[in-house]
Amino acid sequence: GAVVSQHPSRVICKSGTSVKIECRSLDFQATTMFWYRQFPKKSLMLMATSNEGSKATYEQGVEKDKFLINHASLTLSTLTVTSAHPEDSSFYICSARDRNEQFFGPGTRLTVL
Amino acid sequence: QQQVKQSPQSLIVQKGGISIINCAYENTAFDYFPWYQQFPGKGPALLIAIRPDVSEKKEGRFTISFNKSAKQFSLHIMDSQPGDSATYFCATGPFSGGYNKLIFGAGTRLAVHP
Repeated sequence: GAVVSQHPSRVICKSGTSVKIECRSLDFQATTMFWYRQFPKKSLMLMATSNEGSKATYEQGVEKDKFLINHASLTLSTLTVTSAHPEDSSFYICSARDRNEQFFGPGTRLTVL
Repeated sequence: QQQVKQSPQSLIVQKGGISIINCAYENTAFDYFPWYQQFPGKGPALLIAIRPDVSEKKEGRFTISFNKSAKQFSLHIMDSQPGDSATYFCATGPFSGGYNKLIFGAGTRLAVHP
């Protein structure tokens, strides 16, 4: 299957700082990528759909100014958590579509102190 | 939002047994039904997927059964192994289309005991 990478895998930051997470499709081009958030022992919660060359589409209740998404190329989407607070601590996972199937990255564990 | 109801929430199976996880969906327009396997601290991995033109799909020890009239689909893991212990998510959505989102079930935590 298609390979999706994420960087970093883990990040610890102080409250009030911003954190950028990268999502890359390694062996295919992805016009659409998705960003999810997952709480412990819970399902995946879709945050936004990232479209190459256009603005991201955010799910209801997700603050677009808090979670900035940039899909600058066909292989890279970034999620920036701005002014992070402890309640933003979570497991963030991206996915990318390749020929109608969705493949996930390994996830990024964000801990905000 | 359209839901996908997944059951059971957790499942314990002895090594060599059959694990069965069920999902029920609402939107009859959806035509793509994947299953994902997730290990702790990792991203979900696509395990197997089915389209509604067939009632069953088998890949190794994993089989999807699909019942269009009942709007249900299930995952069967034959000869379950301790290495299969993970969380399994069913999902559904439109197969084609540029921005098609998947709707996920709540997940089933499978433990296979040796």
